[in-house]
This record gives sequence, C-alpha cells and structure tokens, in this order.
Amino acid sequence: GAGVSQSPRYKVTKRGQDVALRCDPISGHVSLYWYRQALGQGPEFLTYFNYEAQQDKSGLPNDRFSAERPEGSISTLTIQRTEQRDSAMYRCASSLQGASGELFFGEGSRLTVL
Amino acid sequence: EDQVTQSPEALRLQEGESSSLNCSYTVSGLRGLFWYRQDPGKGPEFLFTLYSAGEEKEKERLKATLTKKESFLHITAPKPEDSATYLCASLIYNQGGKLIFGQGTELSVKP
Repeated sequence: GAGVSQSPRYKVTKRGQDVALRCDPISGHVSLYWYRQALGQGPEFLTYFNYEAQQDKSGLPNDRFSAERPEGSISTLTIQRTEQRDSAMYRCASSLQGASGELFFGEGSRLTVL
Repeated sequence: EDQVTQSPEALRLQEGESSSLNCSYTVSGLRGLFWYRQDPGKGPEFLFTLYSAGEEKEKERLKATLTKKESFLHITAPKPEDSATYLCASLIYNQGGKLIFGQGTELSVKP
C-alpha cells in the first residue's frame, strides 16, 4: 500500500488477555517506530527498529510490552496480561532513513482493556 | 530531563486572524526540531524540519522558525481548513531516532 497500515484498527479485550498489534510500513522504509498516544496528548515513544534490529526500547513501560520486526518489514507490538491502564491509541510510523525525524504515521490501533 | 512544551494548549482564531504557536525545548543536544499536523482521528502528518537557530521554513500559510530555545509556527491569514492539532517534536543527539513530542496546540479557525 501507499501508506503505513495498522491492524486491527480497534481492539477490545478483557484484562489479563494478550494482544498483538500489527504494523505494515511503507515499502522500502528503513526505520519503524511505535508510539502510544493518549487523548489530548502528543505521541509517547515506545520503541524503534532499523531494519530488523531493535535500536531503542527505552519507552516500553514494562516487560509485558515487547516488539519485533523479524524480517525488517512488518512489525508486531505485543502486550501480555493486559491491564486497564494499557488502554490507548497505539501508533506505528516509518521513515525512509534511520533517525530522520520525518515520520509517516499510520491510522493507529485503538486498544480498550475492560 | 529532555522536554518539549507547547503553548497555548488551544487557540481559537477568526479566519484571516494571524497568530503564532510556541514550542519550547529543553534538551541535551538538539539535532532537529520537527512540526507535525494532526487531524481528528488521524495520525500526525509531517510539516517541517528545522536544524539550526535562525532557520525558517514555509509552506502556504505556515512558517516555522527556530531559536536556541524555542520554535514558532506562524500562521498567516488562516482558513478553516487549517484547523487541526499542531505538534512539535525534538530529535536529540545520542538518542538515535527517538522523537520527543510536545502535547500539541489545538487550533480552531472559525469562518
């Protein structure tokens, strides 16, 4: 596709369940980023990859959160044993070059934990 | 602690009424300052990159400027379609691709 694609767009789950959010970046983009955005706030950095290598995971809130990009393209953000505080919009972005700051964002995945 | 702060949180303008949005940054070493526009329900859309104090970038009714402590997004004669949330973000040396975003300014332009 022409843009960054995220799925699912909406996910409702029960507390304690695991969820996986998928991101398909723009073809050929080197870097892929995960952010979390609360209503009325700017995006908060979670982690990013250059190709398949995870460069920085300092923004992941705790060890229930993990991300992978095994073939340097599609990425999955996994949240284990979800809690209500995990409810948020999760946004994926990609950039043509590493650490460019010029990101292309997807439409996001809205996660609601009941 | 590296921080980006935007003001005001919300701004209401009449069509044609020019104004400026502020982005203050306190970071250890600025590599680049970025402006994004975000429409409701959408992801942020890149607008500008500024790298050094004194630099300016323009696009239609928008002009972004940078000093050593802050950046401004000037909106000249805005139109209702300029209504959106404007986000600024900093890229910092030795922190790779990690962008630190401000909380955004919600701009509303009334006809």
